[in-house]
Amino acid sequence: KAGVTQTPRYLIKTRGQQVTLSCSPISGHRSVSWYQQTPGQGLQFLFEYFSETQRNKGNFPGRFSGRQFSNSRSEMNVSTLELGDSALYLCASSRSTGLETQYFGPGTRLLVL
Amino acid sequence: KNQVEQSPQSLIILEGKNCTLQCNYTVSPFSNLRWYKQDTGRGPVSLTIMTFSENTKSNGRYTATLDADTKQSSLHITASQLSDSASYICVVSSRGGTDKLIFGTGTRLQVFP
Repeated sequence: KAGVTQTPRYLIKTRGQQVTLSCSPISGHRSVSWYQQTPGQGLQFLFEYFSETQRNKGNFPGRFSGRQFSNSRSEMNVSTLELGDSALYLCASSRSTGLETQYFGPGTRLLVL
Repeated sequence: KNQVEQSPQSLIILEGKNCTLQCNYTVSPFSNLRWYKQDTGRGPVSLTIMTFSENTKSNGRYTATLDADTKQSSLHITASQLSDSASYICVVSSRGGTDKLIFGTGTRLQVFP
């Protein structure tokens, strides 16, 4: 069974640009969550999608948005990039929500110049 | 304020030795507590998930304990191996209208031969 895949793996953008990251969950998984990881803040929860609906949202500005498609694939978009958005963005999938085990992808490393 | 604190921040042990990592939280209302292992440059891997009613849960050489009264959890690693070198992250979920995830900053474990 293939694991969680994220594309692209590395990305360099400049301030003010926007970026879209993609996540393909494990087959059969309907829940996808997104996290930001930085050396200073550690892991922070961005949002969770289940069956195309945003179920949960962390404390991030509206520049961060996401969506989930009918095949459970998910995208995350960041508009008007800031230097502080440089981070590793991780996606995790699970069969459902709640106490299900989450399986993480390798992440997308974003550098904003 | 909901917080998760982990100690020690970093730890060096010799291969074959045991070690215990600590996680103290002030999250309320409590839903569940998870331990993750994250190798450098990779996404986290789930080790254990524990609810309020569970005192201990094992996953191979990893044993997590939970004391919901004192709001403390520990992760015990038995007979450490070089491959145990990683960051270990404690995550507490708060039950509310939607579950909120509060992350600890992690313990960096290095196992030397």
